[in-house]
Amino acid sequence: DIQMTQSPPSLSASIGDRVIITCRASQSIISYLNWYQQKPGKAPKVLIYGASNLQSGVPSRFSASGSGTDFTLTVSSLQPEDSATYYCQQTYGTPYTFGQGTKLEIK
Amino acid sequence: EVQLLESGGDLVQPGGSLRLSCAASGFTFSTYAMNWVRQAPGKGLEWVSSISASGGTTYYADSVKGRFTISRDNSKNTAYLQMNSLRAEDTAVYYCAKHGPGLVHFDYWGQGALVTVSS
Repeated sequence: DIQMTQSPPSLSASIGDRVIITCRASQSIISYLNWYQQKPGKAPKVLIYGASNLQSGVPSRFSASGSGTDFTLTVSSLQPEDSATYYCQQTYGTPYTFGQGTKLEIK
Repeated sequence: EVQLLESGGDLVQPGGSLRLSCAASGFTFSTYAMNWVRQAPGKGLEWVSSISASGGTTYYADSVKGRFTISRDNSKNTAYLQMNSLRAEDTAVYYCAKHGPGLVHFDYWGQGALVTVSS
């Protein structure tokens, strides 16, 4: 199985800050990497798919890059509504594994 | 508007069975793969199972293989997850999720159904 490792597990940042979350795969997944945002009590929502493609309707302050085994999600200017847990997911092959999540809090 | 509505969540005893349903609308159901993803209380996301658009191909996580069965009825725009031999560790919110074009990502998710396995 492909293991997905996210870092950091949690972080606290201020409004307007630039935030970076990383995700590493245990083997190459080419660009089959997605990022999801989940708020408490809600279903996950896709932000980025295929490593760098912004899902329709997602604010442009979210961006992502990477290929192979190393990927990053960047929030260019943190907003209050970005407080959530973020998950990476590989869909290169089953089982479609998720990272353990990064809980982002606003200072 | 795409909508996925799960139902069937309940409290069940260990060793019991339950069937979850996912009613889909707002898209051509028969042309997209579907998935089930679960989240134990306070934990992260765990992919459970996937089924191809036609229903001819299925995949399972090792943790549920042999106990859970995914299926779909394209005439009813509904996906199912039959769960047998339930264990305490199966307690979770179960989400159904539509696979996006090109099988890259899960582009729409339901609101979730809570399954509690306890005596």
